[in-house]
Amino acid sequence: DTAVSQTPKYLVTQMGNDKSIKCEQNLGHDTMYWYKQDSKKFLKIMFSYNNKELIINETVPNRFSPKSPDKAHLNLHINSLELGDSAVYFCASSQAHRAGEQYFGPGTRLTVT
Amino acid sequence: KNQVEQSPQSLIILEGKNCTLQCNYTVSPFSNLRWYKQDTGRGPVSLTIMTFSENTKSNGRYTATLDADTKQSSLHITASQLSDSASYICVVGSILTGGGNKLTFGTGTQLKVEL
Repeated sequence: DTAVSQTPKYLVTQMGNDKSIKCEQNLGHDTMYWYKQDSKKFLKIMFSYNNKELIINETVPNRFSPKSPDKAHLNLHINSLELGDSAVYFCASSQAHRAGEQYFGPGTRLTVT
Repeated sequence: KNQVEQSPQSLIILEGKNCTLQCNYTVSPFSNLRWYKQDTGRGPVSLTIMTFSENTKSNGRYTATLDADTKQSSLHITASQLSDSASYICVVGSILTGGGNKLTFGTGTQLKVEL
């Protein structure tokens, strides 16, 4: 009965590859987010989706693209991976009017070699 | 520029002792302030959330305070336990023009509770 789940938990890949991280929430929330946590443990928001519309798009490289097939899923696609993309990526969800109450997934540790 | 600063960066205390973590913010317009606990290798979990009109909120041994005038918040942990060892992140929400919310995350305080 996991609320927010992510797959895979660990991802090791080489530079230049294209990879995807999946996220699913069963809370009935209408907004989902992707965060990147760097080595200094700082959480930086990357994207936010509400009713399939991108409502926050921070200045991340266009190699990163979120795709939401439905309200319960927000996948993160990364093209041409670079060493600096190595980090832990967290998915989260909330009701739009209660964005402060976000529920986070367990994270995906991406290592680019 | 919206910023959230936390102090100390790291803290080591003995089990059973109390501690207080600080959060200063310059986020505007202010909507809410939330404290998260993040265990190593896991996603953040919400502890408390406060709006502008609230100045204190408790969750078990965790008590958060908010002074909206000075833009400061604190998280007080009472009778610490080994399981309190984690990173504590202060998050401030602001209202975007045209609706919606934006969250600004602090860098966190790494707490270690020892025997």
